Amino acid sequence: GIQVEQSPPDLILQEGANSTLRCNFSDSVNNLQWFHQNPWGQLINLFYIPSGTKQNGRLSATTVATERYSLLYISSSQTTDSGVYFCAVEPKTSSNTGKLIFGQGTTLQVKP
Amino acid sequence: SQTIHQWPATLVQPVGSPLSLECTVEGTSNPNLYWYRQAAGRGLQLLFYSVGIGQISSEVPQNLSASRPQDRQFILSSKKLLLSDSGFYLCAWSVGWGVEQYFGPGTRLTVT
Repeated sequence: GIQVEQSPPDLILQEGANSTLRCNFSDSVNNLQWFHQNPWGQLINLFYIPSGTKQNGRLSATTVATERYSLLYISSSQTTDSGVYFCAVEPKTSSNTGKLIFGQGTTLQVKP
Repeated sequence: SQTIHQWPATLVQPVGSPLSLECTVEGTSNPNLYWYRQAAGRGLQLLFYSVGIGQISSEVPQNLSASRPQDRQFILSSKKLLLSDSGFYLCAWSVGWGVEQYFGPGTRLTVT
């Protein structure tokens, strides 16, 4: 099946710093989403981005589907950005079911 | 707008006891529904998905089962819990395939 690899696994930043999280996937996808899991476990939708570039405030994401990777940029990080960031993909081979395959996540800690 | 509910929020159950977790979606019709499990410190794994009432597909052979008795209701069950069933269970919905998927608040299950 498809492999989804996220890097780095852990990241520690000082407040105000910028960061880039990467997601590599091994096969073609119908869908790619970025999530932020807060300390209570809730998965917050950040981006639905099977291709192209999107921006939402201090966050932006780019997916290059032909090269099978996606990047999540966090600028001017804040302590509230701390948590786990997941990339999830829906493989084209998923028989049109919408099944998501998750990476193992990047744990981000932003220090004041 | 659409909302997704899960209950209970937390549950502590002894080994060998039954389990019933419920998920309901409001504000949409005929959604695709999904059950995922997250083991401690790891990514999410798809357990079951449903594209319609009474239509359940299992992704991982295990001690659990799922049912969809109504259009917007998805239930995760077990007849006898194992220690390995402990984890964080999340329900999700989408309007189809290749589109954004939304997650509920989750149920944290501890089997003792």
